[in-house]
Amino acid sequence: QKEVEQDPGPLSVPEGAIVSLNCTYSNSAFQYFMWYRQYSRKGPELLMYTYSSGNKEDGRFTAQVDKSSKYISLFIRDSQPSDSATYLCAMSFSLGTPLVFGKGTRLSVIA
Amino acid sequence: EPEVTQTPSHQVTQMGQEVILRCVPISNHLYFYWYRQILGQKVEFLVSFYNNEISEKSEIFDDQFSVERPDGSNFTLKIRSTKLEDSAMYFCACHPGTSGRRSSYNEQFFGPGTRLTVL
Repeated sequence: QKEVEQDPGPLSVPEGAIVSLNCTYSNSAFQYFMWYRQYSRKGPELLMYTYSSGNKEDGRFTAQVDKSSKYISLFIRDSQPSDSATYLCAMSFSLGTPLVFGKGTRLSVIA
Repeated sequence: EPEVTQTPSHQVTQMGQEVILRCVPISNHLYFYWYRQILGQKVEFLVSFYNNEISEKSEIFDDQFSVERPDGSNFTLKIRSTKLEDSAMYFCACHPGTSGRRSSYNEQFFGPGTRLTVL
């Protein structure tokens, strides 16, 4: 069983749509959860991070963690063409420990 | 805004040759990492470095790999004898540590990557 599963997409939505991206994981010891955005042939850029369960909002982005279901989500409201990228979920066990990534979901927002 | 830099952006080498990938992490960060991403695959952890020594490494990080922090700013990854399957994007990342405050997150900041092509 793979540690972190993420639907690779591609996902195509019209501008202004609400986007929902998700990851599931198998190891309940994960405590820190992050979402990165990656443009083609570039490094991952940190978007959101959360610790343990709960929600976190930052502008148009909302991250949710449900540890009981081992499920994390990223919502993008009012999506823009500039949001077109690959979105990677990542998680780790404790401070400073390596990140375990999902495969990434490729998102296209069409104007 | 401080950022992680990596050089070169693209390295082409022959199989069996040694390569050194260089990174300048964000100043005052305490944890340093190398990850790689084979085309179309997940980002994979290679090694972490803290307090001037390796703190953790993956099974990918075998005897052909080594890391060094030769001075206060650079962090390098050396591959002694490259193989075709080493072709990938290599990312350096860093983490600030607790810095005297309660840290409720574990964000790592990534560089732009070095694309390594082994022929």
